[in-house]
Formats: sequence, C-alpha cells, structure tokens
Amino acid sequence: ETGVTQTPRHLVMGMTNKKSLKCEQHLGHNAMYWYKQSAKKPLELMFVYSLEERVENNSVPSRFSPECPNSSHLFLHLHTLQPEDSALYLCASSQEWTGAPYEQYFGPGTRLTVT
Amino acid sequence: GQNIDQPTEMTATEGAIVQINCTYQTSGFNGLFWYQQHAGEAPTFLSYNVLDGLEEKGRFSSFLSRSKGYSYLLLKELQMKDSASYLCAVVDSNYQLIWGAGTKLIIKP
Repeated sequence: ETGVTQTPRHLVMGMTNKKSLKCEQHLGHNAMYWYKQSAKKPLELMFVYSLEERVENNSVPSRFSPECPNSSHLFLHLHTLQPEDSALYLCASSQEWTGAPYEQYFGPGTRLTVT
Repeated sequence: GQNIDQPTEMTATEGAIVQINCTYQTSGFNGLFWYQQHAGEAPTFLSYNVLDGLEEKGRFSSFLSRSKGYSYLLLKELQMKDSASYLCAVVDSNYQLIWGAGTKLIIKP
C-alpha cells in the first residue's frame, strides 16, 4: 500500500467502550499527526509525533491516548468517550515536523460515532 | 488570537472561474497552504505560498499578499469533480498550522 492508511474507516462505540484507531504511513516520513474534524469547524490538531516522540499535545482530554511505537505507526486509544467526541479523526504525516513547512499527507479518516 | 476566515460555501457553474478567498490573522507567518477535500475523503495538498504573488499550477492558481493577510485560490475551467471543500492553512511563527474551517464549493452543470 502507498500513502497513509487508517483503520477502521467507521466506528460506533458506546461511552463505556475502549477502542483504538490505527494509522500507518508508507512514505518514510518522520512526523505523524492526529486531527479531529467536526462539521463546519477547522481541523483541530490533537497530537504530533516526531521520530516517535510526542512533541505536541493541544489540551486534549485524557480519554484520548496516543501511541507511536515506530515512525510508521500511530495509534489513538479511546476510552469513556462522550457524544461530543463524535467526529472524523484524521491521521497525517509529513517529512519533518520543524523547520521549513512541509505538506502533510492525510489518511482517509475514521468516522467515529459515540452513542 | 489566531484566526483564519473563509466563506462557508460557494456555488459556481461548470466551465466558469471561481475565486475562494482566505484572510488570516496569525502570530507570525511562514507560509500558507491550500488543500482540497472531497466529501468522505482525505484532504490533499494543492499549493503552498510563502512569497507574495501568484503561483499557477494547471487550472489552479494561488495568490498571496502578506501585507494584507490575504490569499485566494483561483479555479479555472471548472469541472464537476472540483466540487469539494477547500481548506486554507497558515504556518505561524512556531511552524504550527492554523486551519480555516474550509469552503464548500458546489459546481452546477
């Protein structure tokens, strides 16, 4: 596969469930990102990893827990979510995180519904 | 605070030209991106401007005026497949990407 892949594409979970989102990039990039996209709102950056180290955590509730075991894989672990967490969760990667701005390559997203 | 403004929705006719504006107020500026996002799909990179002026890439062009905090994306010879959301994003002084809410472009035959 090429580019950035995400699984699952759709997820419905109850507020007491625990689930994980998976992202994989096949581009040899050093930086990976999690975004939340809600209707008619700007993309919200949640987490940034550079060379497997977390470099940004934009005041995200602790019910979202990221994990980056290597530079190609990124996970978002979810537990005790709220209905307002329902959104499209996008993973992205870029060549580097700092320095000259690099374009980001996005995965297709996971459409999450919390019931 | 930091702010990116884009129209929420625009409608244009197939074969015509449309200009999507983006104004920004950010702490510093290190470039501006435009991305295209079809419904249910991933955003994809269209253009990057860091210097003033117009950059042309096929049917799409992007313009930047740093003194005015303003950019636009110009789409020519519109095709039905251009129906999508167009996202403007500015790189601030900390190299953080600040995103606009996107402009949904509807193309009519």
